[in-house]
Amino acid sequence: DVKVTQSSRYLVKRTGEKVFLECVQDMDHENMFWYRQDPGLGLRLIYFSYDVKMKEKGDIPEGYSVSREKKERFSLILESASTNQTSMYLCASSQTRLGDSSFGFGEQFFGPGTRLTVL
Amino acid sequence: AQSVTQLGSHVSVSEGALVLLRCNYSSSVPPYLFWYVQYPNQGLQLLLKYTTGATLVKGINGFEAEFKKSETSFHLTKPSAHMSDAAEYFCAVSVTGNQFYFGTGTSLTVIP
Repeated sequence: DVKVTQSSRYLVKRTGEKVFLECVQDMDHENMFWYRQDPGLGLRLIYFSYDVKMKEKGDIPEGYSVSREKKERFSLILESASTNQTSMYLCASSQTRLGDSSFGFGEQFFGPGTRLTVL
Repeated sequence: AQSVTQLGSHVSVSEGALVLLRCNYSSSVPPYLFWYVQYPNQGLQLLLKYTTGATLVKGINGFEAEFKKSETSFHLTKPSAHMSDAAEYFCAVSVTGNQFYFGTGTSLTVIP
């Protein structure tokens, strides 16, 4: 059974703290993603990575950084947490299979999410 | 650029009634389309996807969606709603395979 795991389901931090959110996938996927989910705004892409040590900014990268030292692990870092970063954070992974008409582009597999509260 | 619009942030149906969740997309090239479901305090789970071929796609839990290129739509339907269908539903589009664009979601309530 394919799996994406996230280090914490619930996390409470104080303003100014450095926060690490960890994501691990066991499917040998090339691509990994970090989203934040807020009511009425849907999912917004923070960063994604298509290979080890590679990263690309998404739509809302400000205040965040990422690290991908190993293929299976993708970390999201809040250098100095602020209250407006209180949100649900979702990690996902996918494998792009070009040229396979029966599969096309790989869907994203999601972790259970981390609900972060910054006080 | 790609974008996804889900009409209706909240939809209520009676148990046993038809479920119809609307999704329209904009894309300059043929996209790949997905519907995901999210149950409370969980991540997103794939319901179904359209990549190529047959435009009517069947997914899990009795859901299906039809890709209509002329209408740029990919509406999700289920003939008979069940209480367990209550969840949030997201439509998504991808062109490159590396980036997905999600709609803002539709919360489905099923009334007993």
